[in-house]
Amino acid sequence: ETGVTQSPTHLIKTRGQQVTLRCSSQSGHNTVSWYQQALGQGPQFIFQYYREEENGRGNFPPRFSGLQFPNYSSELNVNALELDDSALYLCASSDGRAGNEQFFGPGTRLTVL
Amino acid sequence: AQSVSQHNHHVILSEAASLELGCNYSYGGTVNLFWYVQYPGQHLQLLLKYFSGDPLVKGIKGFEAEFIKSKFSFNLRKPSVQWSDTAEYFCAVNADNAGNMLTFGGGTRLMVKP
Repeated sequence: ETGVTQSPTHLIKTRGQQVTLRCSSQSGHNTVSWYQQALGQGPQFIFQYYREEENGRGNFPPRFSGLQFPNYSSELNVNALELDDSALYLCASSDGRAGNEQFFGPGTRLTVL
Repeated sequence: AQSVSQHNHHVILSEAASLELGCNYSYGGTVNLFWYVQYPGQHLQLLLKYFSGDPLVKGIKGFEAEFIKSKFSFNLRKPSVQWSDTAEYFCAVNADNAGNMLTFGGGTRLMVKP
């Protein structure tokens, strides 16, 4: 059984640029959630995708967008990067049942200069 | 909207000491509760979870947590910590009106001195 993988592991961008982060879900999982973890804080929910549709969104602006593909892998896109977007971005996959365990990937560390 | 508070931001213990980490949430409906752990250099892993039934749940590595509904609490305990328990611990809540979304607390960084 393959766990959740994310790429890249680290990324440095400048303000105003755009970034795409990628996530491959665990085998058998059809739901992917994205979280932002700023330094010294707990993860904050960005949005979730279930069977290629957005299925819930946290308090993040529209410049945070995503996709889920037929193989259930997912992308997180952030446009017009701001300094405060510097964080660890976590992807988690699950089997879609409400409240069920989410399995987290190692994260992508994004630094915005 | 639900929120989760972890009152202890940093905890330092000696090996064999007992551990209790506090977690309180604000939501009046039905919740599922989780404790996740993040060891240095590793990704978040599930320690234990509560969905229903016995409010005292046991997880991996000797951890347990007790759900006290009247106090909106889900404190994590371990009778005797080891150096290898050094990690950051996160409490998380999934509310019944929030699909599969997890709301996390700010985390507690535990250091166990050998």
